[in-house]
Amino acid sequence: RKEVEQDPGPFNVPEGATVAFNCTYSNSASQSFFWYRQDCRKEPKLLMSVYSSGNEDGRFTAQLNRASQYISLLIRDSKLSDSATYLCVVLNAGNMLTFGGGTRLMVKP
Amino acid sequence: GAVVSQHPSWVICKSGTSVKIECRSLDFQATTMFWYRQFPKQSLMLMATSNEGSKATYEQGVEKDKFLINHASLTLSTLTVTSAHPEDSSFYICSASRSPNTEAFFGQGTRLTVV
Repeated sequence: RKEVEQDPGPFNVPEGATVAFNCTYSNSASQSFFWYRQDCRKEPKLLMSVYSSGNEDGRFTAQLNRASQYISLLIRDSKLSDSATYLCVVLNAGNMLTFGGGTRLMVKP
Repeated sequence: GAVVSQHPSWVICKSGTSVKIECRSLDFQATTMFWYRQFPKQSLMLMATSNEGSKATYEQGVEKDKFLINHASLTLSTLTVTSAHPEDSSFYICSASRSPNTEAFFGQGTRLTVV
C-alpha cells in the first residue's frame, strides 16, 4: 500500500462546477498536511495547508480527518485556470515530505 | 513567501558527460534541502536529503556515486549527475523549508535531456 494515495483522475468538469479530491495516508504519526498544485512542466506550488479544524481560502476548502487518516480538497465554482495536477503532501518526522501520485483536474468551458 | 531558486532550468547534454544543478534558498537558511526526480505523468520521487556540512542521505535505489550532492553552505545545495545517460533524462527539482514541520518551497526545476 502506498503511503499517500490519491485518485489519479482525470476529473473532467465544466466551468462553475464543484469538485472534490480525496487523499488517504497510512502513517498515523504524520505531522502536517498540504495541498500543492503542479502545472505541466512546472514545480509544485503550495495551495494550502490542511488543519484539523478545516480551512478555507476563497473557493478552496481543505479538511483533515486524523481518525480516518483522510484529507480532502473542495474546489467551488471551478475556473479554467484551475486545470492542473493537485498533490496531496504529508510531512513526517525528520521534515520528510511524502507525495501522493496527484489528481489531475481538467476544467472545460 | 520563501524563495528557492534552481539553476539551470533546462539542460541538454551528451551521454557520458556530467551536469551540475544548483539549488539556492534566497531569503532563508536551509540546513536541509531535498532533491526529487519526476518522470512524465508520475509524481515526485525523493532521491536524497541534502544536509549542510555533512553527507547526503540517499533513498533506496538511488546511486550515491552517480548523483553527487554537496551542501556546502546554508543557502546552497548542488546535485551533480555524473556520466549521464539517456535514462537519466528527467525533471529534477529541489525543495527547502524555512523551519522544520512547515511547508516546503520548491525550486523551478531542471529539465535534463541526455542525448
